[in-house]
Amino acid sequence: TQLLEQSPQFLSIQEGENLTVYCNSSSVFSSLQWYRQEPGEGPVLLVTVVTGGEVKKLKRLTFQFGDARKDSSLHITAAQPGDTGLYLCAGEDTNAGKSTFGDGTTLTVKP
Amino acid sequence: GAGVSQSPRYKVAKRGQDVALRCDPISGHVSLFWYQQALGQGPEFLTYFQNEAQLDKSGLPSDRFFAERPEGSVSTLKIQRTQQEDSAVYLCASSLGLLNSYEQYFGPGTRLTVT
Repeated sequence: TQLLEQSPQFLSIQEGENLTVYCNSSSVFSSLQWYRQEPGEGPVLLVTVVTGGEVKKLKRLTFQFGDARKDSSLHITAAQPGDTGLYLCAGEDTNAGKSTFGDGTTLTVKP
Repeated sequence: GAGVSQSPRYKVAKRGQDVALRCDPISGHVSLFWYQQALGQGPEFLTYFQNEAQLDKSGLPSDRFFAERPEGSVSTLKIQRTQQEDSAVYLCASSLGLLNSYEQYFGPGTRLTVT
């Protein structure tokens, strides 16, 4: 079973601060996705990274896939209260045909 | 709206009751996934359909869980003789293409509470 560990589990910061959350595994994934989930809703895809070392930017969010395709990070610059939510990473194993999710980082951004 | 819908949104069942959870995927989406999300955890894969064919049911926790998608559109997840450990949010997702090659769109989930 492929496991994804996310850290930290909880993060509470003030508006305007920067933060980084991590997603680590001992397994290699063909791709990795980052999702954001709000209470009472399903996860919404933010980005998919495929190539080792890949960096993708989505406004104030920067996503990086590790060179070995085992880990990833999400960096948020100048966090805003609207960034509050549960950030999930999910690794895709093409051979298995399904995604494995981490348990997420719960981010709270205080105004 | 044109998103994935699930019903009911909330379900309370007494232990031992059977429940049926419905998922209406986005029209034309070939793939459909069911996940179970326990409180404080990430979604866990249950089963996957490509059209009406159930290609992977390796995540179903026991033979009390059964899923179907008879016409390749709407899907139903049935849980027989519910137990307290079945309490969770059940998420459905659909995607346009095969396996994980395309973005999965999630529904809002059904929160099941077994008392």
